[in-house]
Amino acid sequence: SQKIEQNSEALNIQEGKTATLTCNYTNYSPAYLQWYRQDPGRGPVFLLLIRENEKEKRKERLKVTFDTTLKQSLFHITASQPADSATYLCGRGQGGKLIFGQGTELSVKP
Amino acid sequence: DVKVTQSSRYLVKRTGEKVFLECVQDMDHENMFWYRQDPGLGLRLIYFSYDVKMKEKGDIPEGYSVSREKKERFSLILESASTNQTSMYLCASSETGDTNYGYTFGSGTRLTVV
Repeated sequence: SQKIEQNSEALNIQEGKTATLTCNYTNYSPAYLQWYRQDPGRGPVFLLLIRENEKEKRKERLKVTFDTTLKQSLFHITASQPADSATYLCGRGQGGKLIFGQGTELSVKP
Repeated sequence: DVKVTQSSRYLVKRTGEKVFLECVQDMDHENMFWYRQDPGLGLRLIYFSYDVKMKEKGDIPEGYSVSREKKERFSLILESASTNQTSMYLCASSETGDTNYGYTFGSGTRLTVV
């Protein structure tokens, strides 16, 4: 089956630094990957979608890459702020549905 | 503001009860989904639907069923609740195709089965 994996260890960084989160997938490349933010006790909120034929996509302080050779997507938050602290989820598009990784918790310290 | 509304934030049910979780979206989306979320396991797809009266099994459909009689409403049914179905349940909707808008999720229902 197609899997998607994120680093389950929490990521702790200092305010102002760039946070980089990793999403790895197995087998064939998905048509697209999506990234979401989830705050405690809330549903995930959509951030960015990147397609297989796109190398990079940006939105304000966010940047996502898609490397089909490494079978990996990287999610960057530049100039991170404490308000960026949350769990970030990666999902792969598969047959019209989205299969998620387990998420990575990000903590940005002032 | 577009919304996916789940009928309950918290629910406590007894083992063996039949449980209904309701989800309504106001975006005229074709696709609707039910996930459960557990610590260390992430979001797992239970069932999804691409249209009224149709349903597809996700990765963990056992012990669940769904109903979609109207486009805006997608119900998840636990036929006979068990303690291992204690979880956070999340409903989502989306447009057809890989649009740039992703899924819209509800706030979730935290179900405890005792």
